[in-house]
Amino acid sequence: GENVEQHPSTLSVQEGDSAVIKCTYSDSASNYFPWYKQELGKRPQLIIDIRSNVGEKKDQRIAVTLNKTAKHFSLHITETQPEDSAVYFCATSGGYQKVTFGTGTKLQVIP
Amino acid sequence: NAGVTQTPKFQVLKTGQSMTLQCAQDMNHNSMYWYRQDPGMGLRLIYYSASEGTTDKGEVPNGYNVSRLNKREFSLRLESAAPSQTSVYFCASRGSGNTEAFFGQGTRLTVV
Repeated sequence: GENVEQHPSTLSVQEGDSAVIKCTYSDSASNYFPWYKQELGKRPQLIIDIRSNVGEKKDQRIAVTLNKTAKHFSLHITETQPEDSAVYFCATSGGYQKVTFGTGTKLQVIP
Repeated sequence: NAGVTQTPKFQVLKTGQSMTLQCAQDMNHNSMYWYRQDPGMGLRLIYYSASEGTTDKGEVPNGYNVSRLNKREFSLRLESAAPSQTSVYFCASRGSGNTEAFFGQGTRLTVV
């Protein structure tokens, strides 16, 4: 089955700096790559997604890049703010509607 | 429009007891999922249902059963709870194709 590896598991940055989280996947049939943010005690919520026909997508301070050949995709957060502190999950999905998540990255933004 | 609703929010079971976690969605989604979340392990898929009438195993199905009762409802049953099943359980649903998954608020289950 699909295997999604996510790094790093924890990340501390100074407010205003950038944060990058990387994921690799194994199933070449994967064609949808969402990122979720989970605040403490809350449910995961989608922040950005990318489909396999697109290499990069940006939404204000967050961006996602996809390299299908290398089977990896990354989340980039610029100008980080304390409210960006949370756990971030990458995920993949293919033709059978199965959604597989990475193990999560705990991001701490230090004011 | 409530989205995805899970019940209960909290539960404590004794080893060997059984229980069913309920999940319902009102977004007319075809696919529904059950995940468990443990520290450092991310969200691991237990079972999913790609459409009404079908269910498939995920990464960690042992010790669980599911029922897709109708398009709205997808339940998760623990027949004989074990301490290793102490976790936070999330139900999610998703429409057709490459679309966002919406999560319920989670169920914190403790097995003693």
